[in-house]
Amino acid sequence: DQQVKQNSPSLSVQEGRISILNCDYTNSMFDYFLWYKKYPAEGPTFLISISSIKDKNEDGRFTVFLNKSAKHLSLHIVPSQPGDSAVYFCAASAGNQFYFGTGTSLTVIP
Amino acid sequence: DAGVIQSPRHEVTEMGQEVTLRCKPISGHDYLFWYRQTMMRGLELLIYFNNNVPIDDSGMPEDRFSAKMPNASFSTLKIQPSEPRDSAVYFCASSLVGGATDTQYFGPGTRLTVL
Repeated sequence: DQQVKQNSPSLSVQEGRISILNCDYTNSMFDYFLWYKKYPAEGPTFLISISSIKDKNEDGRFTVFLNKSAKHLSLHIVPSQPGDSAVYFCAASAGNQFYFGTGTSLTVIP
Repeated sequence: DAGVIQSPRHEVTEMGQEVTLRCKPISGHDYLFWYRQTMMRGLELLIYFNNNVPIDDSGMPEDRFSAKMPNASFSTLKIQPSEPRDSAVYFCASSLVGGATDTQYFGPGTRLTVL
């Protein structure tokens, strides 16, 4: 039973435009949320995170938004660059238990 | 630092055979995690260790799966006997002190194919 869901398997965006990746979760006990980025034949790498006490966290071109009432978070990438093309995993945690989504494959078209 | 090292990178085996996946965490990291990635379920946490001790193995799918960490620099994930539905990419990750706020560093993964 998936506790973290990424309902869009893929997304294509023009270079320079905004990319919005979405994630939904079911467990209200989750207190920390993370995004990982994965290139082919490599392991996931940490991108950005947010605590449940916040609703926004920004790091350069990457911003994560958290809507606890809707149990929804999103990752915004502005502006999108071709090097951002990768699979993005959303994750939620409670302690050392981590739950990942199935990933969204982002393609940024030059 | 070389990062998390996993071997082999690819493994093809026949149903019923024993499979052993290996992981060397980043030196000094106290936590080690094993994950499995499939298209249907994404990344699933199988088990994690703290200071070489298994803490939570609730994600291990069946008794056919076992994991050990005999010392701080080595861990294995064994599947015996293997089945075609075990085909997936298996990742090992390590972190310094554990907890959600501590970054996990993933290895490149082992792609397992069970025929």
